[in-house]
Amino acid sequence: QKEVEQDPGPLSVPEGAIVSLNCTYSNSAFQYFMWYRQYSRKGPELLMYTYSSGNKEDGRFTAQVDKSSKYISLFIRDSQPSDSATYLCAMRAGSGNTPLVFGKGTRLSVIA
Amino acid sequence: EAQVTQNPRYLITVTGKKLTVTCSQNMNHEYMSWYRQDPGLGLRQIYYSMNVEVTDKGDVPEGYKVSRKEKRNFPLILESPSPNQTSLYFCASSLSPLQGVPYFGPGTRLTVT
Repeated sequence: QKEVEQDPGPLSVPEGAIVSLNCTYSNSAFQYFMWYRQYSRKGPELLMYTYSSGNKEDGRFTAQVDKSSKYISLFIRDSQPSDSATYLCAMRAGSGNTPLVFGKGTRLSVIA
Repeated sequence: EAQVTQNPRYLITVTGKKLTVTCSQNMNHEYMSWYRQDPGLGLRQIYYSMNVEVTDKGDVPEGYKVSRKEKRNFPLILESPSPNQTSLYFCASSLSPLQGVPYFGPGTRLTVT
């Protein structure tokens, strides 16, 4: 089983839809969870950063972490064409020099 | 403006011709790393550096070298590039491995023919 699993998509939704992006992981030591957005030909940019379980909201974006199920989600409300990008989940352990582990990314297209 | 810069952004070269991709950050970050991104494989870490003169291998270090002589710079060196090193490369920096989150550079698209 891969350490982080993420459905690559592509996912195509109409403008205004609620989008749900997900990652599952196997390493129970992961405590820090991130979502990055990557536009074509650009570097990943941080969207959300959460520690341990719970929800975090920032504008139209909500990140959820369920450590008991080893499952994280990113919700995008009122999706816009400008949200069209690849979304990468990333996570790391809470101690030691373990590197960030990335999912392979989900490609999202929001159609106007 | 806080940023990570990489140069060149695009490079086409031939097998065996040594090349260096530069990376610089202006945030006084201790931790810097290099990733390559390939379709279907995602981001994979090549090398990382905890601080000046401290570097270590990531998941896919073969065929690459790095150096960290100054805190702000972390060049990636391909001594003898091969076609399987054709990829999109990203440099990233963060305060430390466990503090802060990585900021990524804009990427370098390398093609080795």
